[in-house]
Amino acid sequence: EVQLVESGGDLVQPGGSLRLSCAASGFTFRSYWMSWVRQAPGKGLEWVANIKRDGSEKYYVDSVKGRFTISRDNAKNSLYLQMNSLRAEDTGVYFCARAESFGSGSDFWGQGTLVTVSS
Amino acid sequence: SYVLTQPPSVSVAPGKTARITCGGNNIRSKTVHWYQQKPGQAPVLVIHYDSDRPSGIPERFSGSNSGNTATLTISRVEAGDEADYYCQVWDSSSDHWVFGGGTKLTVL
Repeated sequence: EVQLVESGGDLVQPGGSLRLSCAASGFTFRSYWMSWVRQAPGKGLEWVANIKRDGSEKYYVDSVKGRFTISRDNAKNSLYLQMNSLRAEDTGVYFCARAESFGSGSDFWGQGTLVTVSS
Repeated sequence: SYVLTQPPSVSVAPGKTARITCGGNNIRSKTVHWYQQKPGQAPVLVIHYDSDRPSGIPERFSGSNSGNTATLTISRVEAGDEADYYCQVWDSSSDHWVFGGGTKLTVL
């Protein structure tokens, strides 16, 4: 059974840092591009970052570039998102998702982890 | 940056056909994917590559892409289809993924 389980969401003050993790199982993790997509409370989906199968290419939405870093450990079947200099507008549920390629859709998503940035 | 425009809401009676549009400049040159999201749940891919249905998605769901508009069509709508629907593309000029703002489908 394919599973993606996010963790690491928490309440953090503006300017703080947080590291999200996504544990994958039930499929060949290293064969997929992986993504982080977030959803602010009551709002739509917003793509955050993508990483290539071997980690050699990474892409970010402009609003997080320089603050967030996506990474993966194929030996541990895990995806990460290091978030620094957090802002109130980063608040939301963060989903990890897999995709066969950069141009394909995400055919499986985790249930998400909630990040709240507030003082 | 590339922008996808969806109507905020669409309403349809049970058994009828719902059409949800996704507008973008020359969107026909891009590959469009559609997701269904029910409250408190993760998104589910219902159409990929403009018109293909992933395994397990009912045949009632179909997609098309032409000109400046992509369309998700849901035939014989059921109460369980009530959800938010999002279109998504890869903008190759920026190497960014782009989501539409989402459409809330209400089954009357």
